[in-house]
Amino acid sequence: NAGVTQTPKFRVLKTGQSMTLLCAQDMNHEYMYWYRQDPGMGLRLIHYSVGEGTTAKGEVPDGYNVSRLKKQNFLLGLESAAPSQTSVYFCASWSTGAYYEQYFGPGTRLTVT
Amino acid sequence: AQSVTQLDSHVSVSEGTPVLLRCNYSSSYSPSLFWYVQHPNKGLQLLLKYTSAATLVKGINGFEAEFKKSETSFHLTKPSAHMSDAAEYFCVVTNNAGNMLTFGGGTRLMVKP
Repeated sequence: NAGVTQTPKFRVLKTGQSMTLLCAQDMNHEYMYWYRQDPGMGLRLIHYSVGEGTTAKGEVPDGYNVSRLKKQNFLLGLESAAPSQTSVYFCASWSTGAYYEQYFGPGTRLTVT
Repeated sequence: AQSVTQLDSHVSVSEGTPVLLRCNYSSSYSPSLFWYVQHPNKGLQLLLKYTSAATLVKGINGFEAEFKKSETSFHLTKPSAHMSDAAEYFCVVTNNAGNMLTFGGGTRLMVKP
């Protein structure tokens, strides 16, 4: 199993440009999440999905959109990037059960200039 | 709603001395709690988790944590620090359903030779 993978690993955007981050998991997990990590603030939840075709807002959703067309993929979109979106983005997945453990991807470092 | 506070943003220890990273949580129910570690420019790795079983939880690399309900604490300890322990550590609490995580702000552990 590859676990949770993220594409790309690094990206530099200019203000106003758009991009999509791809998260893929091969564990058949129902739940998927997108977080951003900023210095001194831990990880904050952007959006999440409880199943194929569903999405919901997290703590910091403004400026982002998501889609979950397939169970294994969760896409995070930035329609018009802003410098405030410079961050490290982590995807995670989780399955209902006794373990309560989220599995994290390796992260995508995004810089908006 | 649940919350978690990591009481120290930075901790510095000498190699071979004990490590104590402090975490307090707030929750209206009996939560699940985790410690994650993040090495520089890496993703998150689960160190250990508490899910209402034994209150003393042992994790990887010699770390352990004790759940103290009366003190609403979940402090992370290790008897003897190693240089490879230098990293950022996150204390995390779940919501009541177990499908949402709330992260603390992180504690950066520095280990001096």
